[in-house]
Amino acid sequence: NAGVTQTPKFQVLKTGQSMTLQCAQDMNHNSMYWYRQDPGMGLRLIYYSASEGTTDKGEVPNGYNVSRLNKREFSLRLESAAPSQTSVYFCASSEALPRLAGSGTQYFGPGTRLLVL
Amino acid sequence: RKEVEQDPGPFNVPEGATVAFNCTYSNSASQSFFWYRQDCRKEPKLLMSVYSSGNEDGRFTAQLNRASQYISLLIRDSKLSDSATYLCVVNNNDMRFGAGTRLTVKP
Repeated sequence: NAGVTQTPKFQVLKTGQSMTLQCAQDMNHNSMYWYRQDPGMGLRLIYYSASEGTTDKGEVPNGYNVSRLNKREFSLRLESAAPSQTSVYFCASSEALPRLAGSGTQYFGPGTRLLVL
Repeated sequence: RKEVEQDPGPFNVPEGATVAFNCTYSNSASQSFFWYRQDCRKEPKLLMSVYSSGNEDGRFTAQLNRASQYISLLIRDSKLSDSATYLCVVNNNDMRFGAGTRLTVKP
């Protein structure tokens, strides 16, 4: 039982390049999330998926797109990377959305460290 | 004003010390509250939920004061392994994370 896995672990991009961050969970969770974490700031929600087939914007969605490929997988795409997107990206999953479950248990992947030059 | 505010620290304490972290939140309609732990260059992990009546898990005690919109975490008898960043998390239909308080426990 691997929990939440993310690939790649590290990536360096040049401004304007595109890439997709992959995330998968094996806990049969309905909801999945993408966060970014920057120094001095809390994790900020980029996009989330309440259930298979649905996606919604979070707090900081600009410059990103997502795909909920199936129940297990949720990918984050940067179409044209910018230096402001240099960050650590975490994928997370939970049984249901916080507003439905009332639960704070989100399980996080190990993160992807992205540097955009 | 940030939705969830924490003292960033760092808190440097000797082994065996008692240390307390505070957190304030701005949305009075917040529904539930949590402390997460994040080790250096690792992912956050749930440490404990915070209940209105206060709750304890071993050496860790969490308190909630809804009137003052304030959450605390008390760690007693600190261990070297407690060194980490502690994230205050508030559920406002979405999870809102504080920037974290860094703790270093020294021998």
